[in-house]
Amino acid sequence: NAGVTQTPKFQVLKTGQSMTLQCAQDMNHEYMSWYRQDPGMGLRLIHYSVGAGITDQGEVPNGYNVSRSTTEDFPLRLLSAAPSQTSVYFCASSTIGLDEQYFGPGTRLTVT
Amino acid sequence: AQSVTQPDIHITVSEGASLELRCNYSYGATPYLFWYVQSPGQGLQLLLKYFSGDTLVQGIKGFEAEFKRSQSSFNLRKPSVHWSDAAEYFCAVEGFNKFYFGSGTKLNVKP
Repeated sequence: NAGVTQTPKFQVLKTGQSMTLQCAQDMNHEYMSWYRQDPGMGLRLIHYSVGAGITDQGEVPNGYNVSRSTTEDFPLRLLSAAPSQTSVYFCASSTIGLDEQYFGPGTRLTVT
Repeated sequence: AQSVTQPDIHITVSEGASLELRCNYSYGATPYLFWYVQSPGQGLQLLLKYFSGDTLVQGIKGFEAEFKRSQSSFNLRKPSVHWSDAAEYFCAVEGFNKFYFGSGTKLNVKP
């Protein structure tokens, strides 16, 4: 099993550009989520999904869109990047019992 | 609203000494509580979790945590720290499919 994979590992964007962060898992987990990690603030939940076709907002959803068309994939879209979105982004998955969350390696995004 | 507070930003302990990392949570019902560890440049790894039952839970790498409802706390302990334990530690609470993390405690281990 590859577990949770994220691409790219690093990305630099200019203000106003759009991009999609990819996340995939091969553990057949129903629950998937996106977090951003900023110094001194821990991880904050952006969006989450409890199954294909179902998504919901977390603590900090503004500026981000998600969709869940398959169990395996949960992409995060930035429609118009802003410097405030400079962060490290983690994707995670778990069974619907919310047992252990498995985290991907992260994507470091810089918006200039 | 749910929240997690980790009052210690940095902690330094000597190798072989005991460790306690503090975590306080705010949650209206019986919480699901977690401790995660993050090594530099890595994702998070689960150390242990509390859902119900025995309030003292054992985890991986010799860690344990005690749930104290009266104090809204879930402190992480280890009797003897190893140099490889140097990392950042996060406490988290889950409620209604949402996870809330504390701001983390960075652990340094002195030789």
